[in-house]
Amino acid sequence: GAVVSQHPSWVICKSGTSVKIECRSLDFQATTMFWYRQFPKQSLMLMATSNEGSKATYEQGVEKDKFLINHASLTLSTLTVTSAHPEDSSFYICSASSMGTPGYEQYFGPGTRLTVT
Amino acid sequence: RKEVEQDPGPFNVPEGATVAFNCTYSNSASQSFFWYRQDCRKEPKLLMSVYSSGNEDGRFTAQLNRASQYISLLIRDSKLSDSATYLCVVTDAGGTSYGKLTFGQGTILTVHP
Repeated sequence: GAVVSQHPSWVICKSGTSVKIECRSLDFQATTMFWYRQFPKQSLMLMATSNEGSKATYEQGVEKDKFLINHASLTLSTLTVTSAHPEDSSFYICSASSMGTPGYEQYFGPGTRLTVT
Repeated sequence: RKEVEQDPGPFNVPEGATVAFNCTYSNSASQSFFWYRQDCRKEPKLLMSVYSSGNEDGRFTAQLNRASQYISLLIRDSKLSDSATYLCVVTDAGGTSYGKLTFGQGTILTVHP
């Protein structure tokens, strides 16, 4: 159980375009979803936390107008990278958890590798 | 000072070796502690939670020292398949930080024949 999927698994886009990444919890209802970014040879950095039906809470230094997060249902959250630039190229990973999960365990999606040319 | 610090390694050990990873965290309010492993170009996967009493899962033993804000992971009888990056992770609880995971930079382990 506790499977999280992401789509697409990889994407290449041109500078200035927008890219939408989907994160789905397949077999449980995710009250909270998290979006992380990982640059090469670095660890995961939390970008934002989203609760179903609420606005996302962004970490310091993350532009909310550039990284649009929508968590419209208990099984789906989307991250849209607007006006992408080469420096946005990274590995984007979502995770999901539900209230009462022991130890606040989060289940991670397989990640989306974004390359902006 | 980083919130979660690990020795980045890399650690190169032969099969069968015992290897230990250390981690320190700066926030004394941290509530839960984990070790994750991450394979190249993959998502992190939970290896084990870490408790003050210490816990063991097969060849893996994790320890937590709250007074020293120190976490460790011991791997005995290393296998080739243990090669990965090991991430020390802590979480705060309550308020706006509910469930927020903070990752260390990871320790790279390579087990060779």
